[in-house]
Amino acid sequence: QVQLQESGPGLVKPSQTLSLTCAVSGGSISSGNYFWSWVRQPAGKGLEWIGRTHTSGTTNYNPSLKSRVTISIDTSQNQFSLKLSSVTAADTAVYYCAREAGYCSGGSCYSEGLDYWGQGTLVTVSS
Amino acid sequence: SYELTQPPSVSVSPGQTARITCSGDALPKKYVYWYQQKSGQAPVLVIYEDSKRPSGIPERFSGSSSGTMATLTISGAQVEDEADYYCYSIDSSGNHRVFGGGTKLTVL
Repeated sequence: QVQLQESGPGLVKPSQTLSLTCAVSGGSISSGNYFWSWVRQPAGKGLEWIGRTHTSGTTNYNPSLKSRVTISIDTSQNQFSLKLSSVTAADTAVYYCAREAGYCSGGSCYSEGLDYWGQGTLVTVSS
Repeated sequence: SYELTQPPSVSVSPGQTARITCSGDALPKKYVYWYQQKSGQAPVLVIYEDSKRPSGIPERFSGSSSGTMATLTISGAQVEDEADYYCYSIDSSGNHRVFGGGTKLTVL
């Protein structure tokens, strides 16, 4: 059973960089056709897709956050990370890491959705 | 940027059928996924690729998609199905994912 666990500071000052790590257990981050993703949710609001990464080096980011986001993967530690720079109060949210399963067939690749999620971690941006 | 539109709320009595819609311009060519999020918990995938149900998801959950609209149907909704439901899909580039605004389902 795959498990994901977010970790990182719960409080970040405005203009600084938010850094979170997601540890993957119960399976190798390198095996299978998986993208490793980040999603966030401000209190009382909806889910927002931040971006995803693959061990091939492919990364995709939400266009609205692209200039501030970096998602990277560390296969030796079986974990992946999120960095969000120049944060403001609007970045205060619960941050989730998740696995996106997928497969390729007939020259096209398809997603099977975000099938495993971490429990989420609250990050507050405040001085 | 690409958007998916959901109704803010849906309300049904226990045992009735609940239908939650999601509209988006790219849906004729892109799959829809549905997530259930109960209060204080992480989301759970309940439908993928428009109509497939992950293992462990009750049969009362079903999905369909036609044209620019997808529908999550909960047949015989139960009190424990009360939650926020989010649709999720992929933009026309194939590289970016997007969530709908979410629908609060009330079963009482």
